[in-house]
Amino acid sequence: DAGVTQSPTHLIKTRGQHVTLRCSPISGHKSVSWYQQVLGQGPQFIFQYYEKEERGRGNFPDRFSARQFPNYSSELNVNALLLGDSALYLCASSLAGEHYGYTFGSGTRLTVV
Amino acid sequence: DAKTTQPPSMDCAEGRAANLPCNHSTISGNEYVYWYRQIHSQGPQYIIHGLKNNETNEMASLIITEDRKSSTLILPHATLRDTAVYYCIVRVTGANSKLTFGKGITLSVRP
Repeated sequence: DAGVTQSPTHLIKTRGQHVTLRCSPISGHKSVSWYQQVLGQGPQFIFQYYEKEERGRGNFPDRFSARQFPNYSSELNVNALLLGDSALYLCASSLAGEHYGYTFGSGTRLTVV
Repeated sequence: DAKTTQPPSMDCAEGRAANLPCNHSTISGNEYVYWYRQIHSQGPQYIIHGLKNNETNEMASLIITEDRKSSTLILPHATLRDTAVYYCIVRVTGANSKLTFGKGITLSVRP
């Protein structure tokens, strides 16, 4: 059974550009969360979606947005990229209400130059 | 803000037990202790969780003190593949509960 898949795995963008990152959760998982991990730090929570509705938002600027589709896949969008947005972006999926935590994808490595 | 405190790093010899400590002195009654690990360039991996009883699975054991203010993750026979950053997290369960990661503890397993 496929795990959480994220695309692309790596990309390079220029300051001021826009980027869209994609995530497909494990089949049957209805909750998707996004995390940002800068070098040397633990992942930081950005968004959580459940049943296509936003259920949580971390302390990130409005340049960051996300959505969840009817098939429970998700997109993270970042506008007006800054050098500081360079990071590993992680997607995690989970069953609603379950105890066993989240399953993470391998992430998208974004470099802003 | 992270609610847990972990030493920055530790090492152990391959084949020996690795005991990773975590302090969570402000834990609430409905918060569970979760452990994840992150091997270089991969996403975090769930290891184990518990509320107040000790827990064991195929990967590790979790020992939680009676007052629940600290816990220890035990890898009984560490291998080189266990070299990773280990995160101790406290959270309530449920569909809307986020994970708050600290910096974790870097475990280095030496041959």
